[in-house]
Amino acid sequence: AQKVTQAQTEISVVEKEDVTLDCVYETRDTTYYLFWYKQPPSGELVFLIRRNSFDEQNEISGRYSWNFQKSTSSFNFTITASQVVDSAVYFCALSEEGYGGATNKLIFGTGTLLAVQP
Amino acid sequence: GAVVSQHPSRVICKSGTSVKIECRSLDFQATTMFWYRQFPKQSLMLMATSNEGSKATYEQGVEKDKFLINHASLTLSTLTVTSAHPEDSSFYICSARKPVGGYEQYFGPGTRLTVT
Repeated sequence: AQKVTQAQTEISVVEKEDVTLDCVYETRDTTYYLFWYKQPPSGELVFLIRRNSFDEQNEISGRYSWNFQKSTSSFNFTITASQVVDSAVYFCALSEEGYGGATNKLIFGTGTLLAVQP
Repeated sequence: GAVVSQHPSRVICKSGTSVKIECRSLDFQATTMFWYRQFPKQSLMLMATSNEGSKATYEQGVEKDKFLINHASLTLSTLTVTSAHPEDSSFYICSARKPVGGYEQYFGPGTRLTVT
């Protein structure tokens, strides 16, 4: 069965610190997709990144970077030089392809609440 | 990115009444939409998968007679909470998936339901 674990319930940092949010997943499929979403206090989910299981290249987008390691089933997210606006709940999610790509259900982790103090 | 809207954003209803929540994909046709439920400080739990023109697929433990889903067009899915009770109070979020071009789900802004 598929599962996503975000062991860090809450993280508090001071502005300009770097912070890494951990995500560990379980799946039996060889083809799957991993996602990160941001949920600010307004509640709307903001898509950050999608990574498929065949692409282990790390990615950097501005202050955000992602480290995907299949060997440890992890897909960690780092924010460099954090800002107050980064304060939100961050969710890691897993989607298995399923037969003919039809499944596509997103399995969410429990989320990590990041609080960036000024 | 794609735009998904939800209406209403907030609703308060009395126990025993029914409430309908709409989810619309504004700039693309969505053959598949999803309905999630989120309790305070908790994760999103998938309730059902809604496919245009066919019956929704409900997740285990979700009462299909209580949470009626209709996906009558390629841009609209509705969730009706029937005979609502206070324990149905929650944040309901829909998402829509484009039929081609990737597996992203585009999320609506959510609907806060409070049953008094």
